[in-house]
Amino acid sequence: EAQVTQNPRYLITVTGKKLTVTCSQNMNHEYMSWYRQDPGLGLRQIYYSMNVEVTDKGDVPEGYKVSRKEKRNFPLILESPSPNQTSLYFCASSTRNTIYEQYFGPGTRLTVT
Amino acid sequence: AQKVTQAQTEISVVEKEDVTLDCVYETRDTTYYLFWYKQPPSGELVFLIRRNSFDEQNEISGRYSWNFQKSTSSFNFTITASQVVDSAVYFCALSELLMDSSYKLIFGSGTRLLVRP
Repeated sequence: EAQVTQNPRYLITVTGKKLTVTCSQNMNHEYMSWYRQDPGLGLRQIYYSMNVEVTDKGDVPEGYKVSRKEKRNFPLILESPSPNQTSLYFCASSTRNTIYEQYFGPGTRLTVT
Repeated sequence: AQKVTQAQTEISVVEKEDVTLDCVYETRDTTYYLFWYKQPPSGELVFLIRRNSFDEQNEISGRYSWNFQKSTSSFNFTITASQVVDSAVYFCALSELLMDSSYKLIFGSGTRLLVRP
């Protein structure tokens, strides 16, 4: 089954404790991206990647890192999480030629206390 | 700047009523895509429709219909004979072409629809 998976689905952590949210897709997609969803703001793009070893900032990259060492994986790293990073996070992927048609993962709900 | 406005923060209707969710967008791109997503209480995003800027035909899918009007930059979504299962947050989104020829999606703030029995 074609899908985008994220882990963990739910996470409660404390300020400053490094964490990684994993994202994996099994569709051989070149393009992957991360969004965060906040009340009243909709979804906003954090980072995206056009292919392996190619990443770029989205609209709200501060406080986040990403890497793209393999085509299928695009982890989101919070080196020192803060309470303002409490949010619902979505990973998405698509082919390079149909970037406008993105497949979304199930979401990761992160709470930073 | 690209922008999507969903002015209705929350709508409450009684089951079987028709309801229209508004979406107004701003874009500088000549080719773009518009989307609607549904987010049920479980939190996942469910893709409903994608519309190309060159295709202004309205679309109907069961109880769902979409009215795309380029002249008013609107892409409204109507649910006919609403049901309790339609209760969700609905997002309208617009594609934005970036300098490196990639796209990103610009989302509206969402409309929470509550359908009461």
